[in-house]
Amino acid sequence: DVKVTQSSRYLVKRTGEKVFLECVQDMDHENMFWYRQDPGLGLRLIYFSYDVKMKEKGDIPEGYSVSREKKERFSLILESASTNQTSMYLCASSSGGAGARNTQYFGPGTRLTVL
Amino acid sequence: DAKTTQPNSMESNEEEPVHLPCNHSTISGTDYIHWYRQLPSQGPEYVIHGLTSNVNNRMASLAIAEDRKSSTLILHRATLRDAAVYYCILRANQAGTALIFGKGTTLSVSS
Repeated sequence: DVKVTQSSRYLVKRTGEKVFLECVQDMDHENMFWYRQDPGLGLRLIYFSYDVKMKEKGDIPEGYSVSREKKERFSLILESASTNQTSMYLCASSSGGAGARNTQYFGPGTRLTVL
Repeated sequence: DAKTTQPNSMESNEEEPVHLPCNHSTISGTDYIHWYRQLPSQGPEYVIHGLTSNVNNRMASLAIAEDRKSSTLILHRATLRDAAVYYCILRANQAGTALIFGKGTTLSVSS
């Protein structure tokens, strides 16, 4: 069974802290994605990576950075957490090649609260 | 990716079929139609996808209009576990593309 795991289901941090969200997939997928989900705004893409050490900005990259040192792991970093980054963060992965047919597999999400 | 339009919410009774519509009048010839759903407190999960022909799998069926400007996700017998937000998404035929989620349809199922 395919699996995407995220390091925490719930996280509470203080304003100004550096926050690391980890995502690991066991499907040998080339592509990995970070989304955030907010009520009324749906899911929005923050960053994605199509290979190790490669990254591309999504729709809302400001205030975030990412790291992909190994194929199976994609980290989202909040350099200095702010209250407007309180959200549900979802990681996903998909295999490479023609994108239209490739299913994305999502992790369970991390609900981050920044106080 | 082209835009999709879905009703905000729908209701169903358990054991009855559910037809979830999606309009995508600006779909291009190579766009695939994908459906995902998100159960409460979980990440989205893939349901089904198609290009031109109707598709069936163990979860659902996808009926695609002949002009491809609309499609319908069919749950043959709704269960309480099918209560979720259902997203209709068009995907261009490009490698590594992200999904663009709209608001989706919130399906409620009553016993």
